[in-house]
Order: sequence, then structure tokens, then C-alpha cells
Amino acid sequence: GENVEQHPSTLSVQEGDSAVIKCTYSDSASNYFPWYKQELGKRPQLIIDIRSNVGEKKDQRIAVTLNKTAKHFSLHITETQPEDSAVYFCAASLNQAGTALIFGKGTTLSVSS
Amino acid sequence: GAGVSQSPSNKVTEKGKDVELRCDPISGHTALYWYRQSLGQGLEFLIYFQGNSAPDKSGLPSDRFSAERTGGSVSTLTIQRTQQEDSAVYLCASSLGGGLNTEAFFGQGTRLTVV
Repeated sequence: GENVEQHPSTLSVQEGDSAVIKCTYSDSASNYFPWYKQELGKRPQLIIDIRSNVGEKKDQRIAVTLNKTAKHFSLHITETQPEDSAVYFCAASLNQAGTALIFGKGTTLSVSS
Repeated sequence: GAGVSQSPSNKVTEKGKDVELRCDPISGHTALYWYRQSLGQGLEFLIYFQGNSAPDKSGLPSDRFSAERTGGSVSTLTIQRTQQEDSAVYLCASSLGGGLNTEAFFGQGTRLTVV
């Protein structure tokens, strides 16, 4: 089955800096890659996702890149703000419904002002 | 409903007892997931239901764990003969299902403590 590795496990940055979180996956058939943000004491929420027909997707300060050859995808947050502090999870699955989302172990991002 | 609802929010049980955790997905969502989140750990996949298809049970850690989904809506996760290592937050999520995988909406979770 699918296995997702996520690095780093913790990341501390200064406000305004960029943050990058990286994930690798094992199943070359996977083609749907969402990212979730979980604030302290709250439920995970989707912040961005990418499907394998594109290599990059942006939404304001957040971008995700995908390298299917290397089975690697990354989350980039620019101009970080204290409210970006949270645990971020990457996930992978097949594009079609009927397959489970498999998550990485998460990255705790701390943005200090 | 407005979102995915889980009950109870908190459950304390004695070692060896059975527990049932309930999940009410968003109306119309055909896909339903159960995950386990232990302190400092990620979202561990347990089981996945999609419409009338056979569930993907590949994440269940032992035969003490089982889940069912009645009428394609409400799901119950049952843990038999609970052990202390079962203590965790159990999260349920649902998504539209259908042709493509889409956003999974999570419930607030059930915090299970086995004493």
C-alpha cells in the first residue's frame, strides 16, 4: 500500500520568511496530493491540493509543487505570519474515489514575530 | 447537517471494556474515513467506506477493531477489549466520493482514554 514520508517534523521560522515542507510517496499510481492544516485543538482542514496533471499550483501565499518522476511533492508558504503556526499534513491517494487518503506524520510549523 | 459530527467528544473507559464511537457524515457524502491520531503522531488510516463498495480495512491495527456503515450514512467504530495503547483521538472524515477524490471534511474527533 501507499506510504507517505514527511519532513521536517518541526520547523521554526521568523515572520516574513518562507517555509518549505517536503513529502515523498511510494505508490507511483498515486495522483492526488492534498495538504491539510491542523491548528491546536482543531480538526484538520484542506488548504490546497494538486492532481498529477499539473506540476505546480498556487493560492495566494501557498504553493504546492509535484515531481512525479521523483515521487516527491512540497508545500511552500511565503511571507509567513504567526497565524500560519499549525501542524501541516501531506497526503496521497489515487485520483478516483474508492481509495483512501494516506497521510504523512505531520510538520509542526512555528512562526515567531 | 452543517458538518461531520462525532460522538462522544470524550470517552474514558476501563481496560478490557468495549467502546463504540459514532460518526455522522455530511449529508450526501458517499466516502467516509476513520483515522487515529496519537499524541505527536500523524493521521493513521484505519478504514475507508465508499458507497456500496467493500470497505478498505487495510489500516485496522488488530481484529479488536471493526467498523460498519449503515445505510450509507452513519458509521460506528468499535474497539473490543480496549488496551491502554488504544488511547488516542479518533477522527472521522467524509467526502463527496463519486468520480474523483475530493476534499475530506473532518469531524472534531473522539478523545478516547483507556485507564
